[in-house]
Amino acid sequence: EAQVTQNPRYLITVTGKKLTVTCSQNMNHEYMSWYRQDPGLGLRQIYYSMNVEVTDKGDVPEGYKVSRKEKRNFPLILESPSPNQTSLYFCASRTSGSLNEQFFGPGTRLTVL
Amino acid sequence: EDKVVQSPLSLVVHEGDTVTLNCSYEVTNFRSLLWYKQEKKAPTFLFMLTSSGIEKKSGRLSSILDKKELFSILNITATQTGDSAIYLCAVENSWGKFQFGAGTQVVVTP
Repeated sequence: EAQVTQNPRYLITVTGKKLTVTCSQNMNHEYMSWYRQDPGLGLRQIYYSMNVEVTDKGDVPEGYKVSRKEKRNFPLILESPSPNQTSLYFCASRTSGSLNEQFFGPGTRLTVL
Repeated sequence: EDKVVQSPLSLVVHEGDTVTLNCSYEVTNFRSLLWYKQEKKAPTFLFMLTSSGIEKKSGRLSSILDKKELFSILNITATQTGDSAIYLCAVENSWGKFQFGAGTQVVVTP
């Protein structure tokens, strides 16, 4: 089944403890992206990647890191999480070079205490 | 700075009513405008619009883009309770960057 998977789906952690949220897609998509969603703010793009080893900042990259070493994976790293990073995170992917919609993962609800 | 503004922020309608959702945008190097529906999970794709004046239609939903006035509308006719959701508008630029609006919450009452 074609899908985008994220792990974990729920995470409660404490301030300053490094964490990684994984994202994987099995559709051979070049483009992958991370978003956070907060009440009243819609989705805000954190980072995106047009292809392997190519990443760009979205609107809210501060406090996050990403890497794209392989086409299928695009992990989101929080080196030192803070409470203002408590949010619902979505990973998405699509093909590049043509006009196709993004496919979203199921979301990761992160709480930083 | 790129910006996407949706209106209204929320609305409540009765089953059978028609709703019109608005999305205005300012973006450098526009590529496409997309509409998504979000219930209590990940957004699901509705429409992608790239050309002005061409209506996209899927069942009771339709959407159109005006690239001169920089806005799009999403219409839902004969609403049903299953249409209750947050509707998100997003704009993509030529470099793959997406800007989402805050969304419109639609509640359809029986």
